[in-house]
Amino acid sequence: NAGVTQTPKFRVLKTGQSMTLLCAQDMNHEYMYWYRQDPGMGLRLIHYSVGEGTTAKGEVPDGYNVSRLKKQNFLLGLESAAPSQTSVYFCASRGRGRGANVLTFGAGSRLTVL
Amino acid sequence: DQQVKQNSPSLSVQEGRISILNCDYTNSMFDYFLWYKKYPAEGPTFLISISSIKDKNEDGRFTVFLNKSAKHLSLHIVPSQPGDSAVYFCAASELGGYQKVTFGIGTKLQVIP
Repeated sequence: NAGVTQTPKFRVLKTGQSMTLLCAQDMNHEYMYWYRQDPGMGLRLIHYSVGEGTTAKGEVPDGYNVSRLKKQNFLLGLESAAPSQTSVYFCASRGRGRGANVLTFGAGSRLTVL
Repeated sequence: DQQVKQNSPSLSVQEGRISILNCDYTNSMFDYFLWYKKYPAEGPTFLISISSIKDKNEDGRFTVFLNKSAKHLSLHIVPSQPGDSAVYFCAASELGGYQKVTFGIGTKLQVIP
C-alpha cells in the first residue's frame, strides 16, 4: 500500500519555466490537497479538491493551477515559475466522513526556482 | 492572520523528561484538532487528535489537552525519547463540507540523550 506518492521529488527550474507536480493516492480518498512548506510559515494550503473534476482555491493559490481529472490523481501546475515559488510541496489526501479527519501526506517535492 | 499559532519555534528536552508543546487558535469554528510529526525529508505523519467535545485524549506516551475557553491545546510527551526529535505541527479543522485543515508553523523538538 503506497499511500500518497509525489513525483518528482526534486526539481530545479529557471524563472519563467513551467512544470507539473503529480500526486497519486491509492486509498480511494475523496479529498486531496496541495500544501507548501516554507521556513517560518508552516504548511499553507494552495488548492484542494473535494472530488473528481472539482477544485478550489486555498490560502495561497496565485501562480498555481490544479486539475483532478481522475479520483486518484491531483496535479499541481506552475505556468511561469518565479523564485518565490521555491518551496517544498506536499500533497495530502483524506477520506470522506466525520471520522476521517486525518490527512495522509506524501513525502514532498522540493522545487527550486532560479 | 494566523488562525493556528505555535509560538515556540524550538524546544530542547532531556531524554526521559516531559516535553510540552503548545498551540493557540483564534477561530471559534474549529472543532477538531490534530498533531502531526515531521522528520526531515519526509511528509508529516498523524500523531494524535482531539475533538472539541473532549478535553483530553491519550495514546501511549502522547497526551493532548484542549482548553476551549482559552482556545489552547497542548501536546505532552512522557517520557521523551531521542526518536521524538522532529518538527511538530498543530492543526485544526472546522465543520464544513471539505473540512480544510489549517496548520501552525511548527515547533522543532530536540530530545537530548
